[in-house]
Amino acid sequence: DQQVKQNSPSLSVQEGRISILNCDYTNSMFDYFLWYKKYPAEGPTFLISISSIKDKNEDGRFTVFLNKSAKHLSLHIVPSQPGDSAVYFCAASGYSSASKIIFGSGTRLSIRP
Amino acid sequence: DVKVTQSSRYLVKRTGEKVFLECVQDMDHENMFWYRQDPGLGLRLIYFSYDVKMKEKGDIPEGYSVSREKKERFSLILESASTNQTSMYLCASSLERELSYNEQFFGPGTRLTVL
Repeated sequence: DQQVKQNSPSLSVQEGRISILNCDYTNSMFDYFLWYKKYPAEGPTFLISISSIKDKNEDGRFTVFLNKSAKHLSLHIVPSQPGDSAVYFCAASGYSSASKIIFGSGTRLSIRP
Repeated sequence: DVKVTQSSRYLVKRTGEKVFLECVQDMDHENMFWYRQDPGLGLRLIYFSYDVKMKEKGDIPEGYSVSREKKERFSLILESASTNQTSMYLCASSLERELSYNEQFFGPGTRLTVL
């Protein structure tokens, strides 16, 4: 039973446009959410996070939106650049998850010229 | 910068062999983790440790064991490797005892193939 779901395994976006990566979760006790980025042959690196007391967090070209009622979060990248091509993992944690971070299955983002 | 290193980038072993994967972090982090990454399944937690000589099972501990004799080093052991353990193995560490709200820092991964 996947508690964190990324239903799109892949996404292709033109350079300069907005990339929107989506993530759904089922556990209402999750209260902290993270996005990680992974290049081939490298480990994931932390990108941005959001606490459940907020509905938006912004860091440069990256913005994460949280809709608690829908149990949905999204990562927006504007404008998309070739270096953004990577696999993006959504992750969640909270007191009910035995203090672990639960990762989604990932979305492979490709930025085309 | 935090650095997490893993002993091998690529490893090929035979079914039934005992396999050791080593991970070292250089930032005095309390917590260390072992994950495996498989297509369509994301990162799944195998074991984690919040202190020296302490270990906790993750979501998929079967067929694995771990050892943490020193704070900076966390080893994953496959007692008798099987083909279904062919995967990318990722080690991570995080700073504080409270696991939930800590960013995890990952190593580059070890791609293990079991023939």
